[in-house]
Amino acid sequence: AQKVTQAQTEISVVEKEDVTLDCVYETRDTTYYLFWYKQPPSGELVFLIRRNSFDEQNEISGRYSWNFQKSTSSFNFTITASQVVDSAVYFCALSEGSSNTGKLIFGQGTTLQVKP
Amino acid sequence: DTAVSQTPKYLVTQMGNDKSIKCEQNLGHDTMYWYKQDSKKFLKIMFSYNNKELIINETVPNRFSPKSPDKAHLNLHINSLELGDSAVYFCASSPNGLGLAGIYNEQFFGPGTRLTVL
Repeated sequence: AQKVTQAQTEISVVEKEDVTLDCVYETRDTTYYLFWYKQPPSGELVFLIRRNSFDEQNEISGRYSWNFQKSTSSFNFTITASQVVDSAVYFCALSEGSSNTGKLIFGQGTTLQVKP
Repeated sequence: DTAVSQTPKYLVTQMGNDKSIKCEQNLGHDTMYWYKQDSKKFLKIMFSYNNKELIINETVPNRFSPKSPDKAHLNLHINSLELGDSAVYFCASSPNGLGLAGIYNEQFFGPGTRLTVL
């Protein structure tokens, strides 16, 4: 069955530290899609990245980077030189190609607190 | 020029009442969704419509009924509200499942509706 696990419930770092948010997924599909969303204290859900199962290239966007490892079913998210504005709940999500519905299965979320 | 909007943003009501939450998207997307976020921040899909057709109907009490009058709108009606229905409800939309490049498109979320049942 499909599942997303974010084992870190809460992480607290001091500004400028690097931090990695872990995401492990389970699926029987060979075609699937992985996402990260950010939910700042204001409550909205902000899309960060999408990754296809057939593209294992890592991605970097400014201070954000993502490491996709099919061998370990992980899609980890690293913030370099964290800032207070990075404080938010971060969700990893999975969508299976076989569903063809776009249904997102979310992890439990990781609350990141960046202290000044 | 809000992409996905929801009304109301806050809804406080008594147990047993019936209420509706409205969602509209101006992105021209074909698919819309309702998610529920509980007090522990866990997000779970409830329903989805594609071009006014129901395509996802998760295990949700039948007191919850979605309605899609057209592909830009997806409303959620809840009958006989219970304390456990208190949550934040998010509407989302996305283009059809597979984009032209074969890439699965992301979902754009509305601001959420915080429902409190007293």
